[in-house]
Amino acid sequence: DAGITQSPRYKITETGRQVTLMCHQTWSHSYMFWYRQDLGHGLRLIYYSAAADITDKGEVPDGYVVSRSKTENFPLTLESATRSQTSVYFCASSEKGAASPLHFGNGTRLTVT
Amino acid sequence: AQSVTQLDSQVPVFEEAPVELRCNYSSSVSVYLFWYVQYPNQGLQLLLKYLSGSTLVKGINGFEAEFNKSQTSFHLRKPSVHISDTAEYFCAVSPNTGNQFYFGTGTSLTVIP
Repeated sequence: DAGITQSPRYKITETGRQVTLMCHQTWSHSYMFWYRQDLGHGLRLIYYSAAADITDKGEVPDGYVVSRSKTENFPLTLESATRSQTSVYFCASSEKGAASPLHFGNGTRLTVT
Repeated sequence: AQSVTQLDSQVPVFEEAPVELRCNYSSSVSVYLFWYVQYPNQGLQLLLKYLSGSTLVKGINGFEAEFNKSQTSFHLRKPSVHISDTAEYFCAVSPNTGNQFYFGTGTSLTVIP
């Protein structure tokens, strides 16, 4: 089915471990985004990408790494997880950026112990 | 810089009553405006968007919003709510000069039978 899928849905990891969250979209949208959702903060942008091999920092990029070697994939890596990175992570895509609405995945709930 | 303020974090309303969820924004440039809805354990779904033209926009599920440029507001309304409207609602803006989306902290709408 067409859409945007995130994996895993749930992840528990320990402080200091590296973890990668996957995001795959089937629309061939140019733009992809990673947000984290925390109570009281709404959604905050971590990184975004305008096209393959083009990425840029958002509001809260520290501690995260992204790559986009293919248009359809946009993985997010926590290089050394910290408890403050416990959150729900959403991947989204947009056809043309600002004027095109975001299409969201169902999220990954990450717990860092 | 852009900011989005949703003044009400929680809004309880009785079934079949009208509701208004408030959204104000600040931006030094023109923006596109969006409302999203999030049901439990799901990603966000687009309710409606304002790009240009008529300031009153209609969306899915009977929702509508009005763009007021002078008051920099984009309030969401529904004349008669249903139990199924219970969800989290997010207002978002996207400057027309960029490719990022900025979200408010959300309003939790609870429809009481």
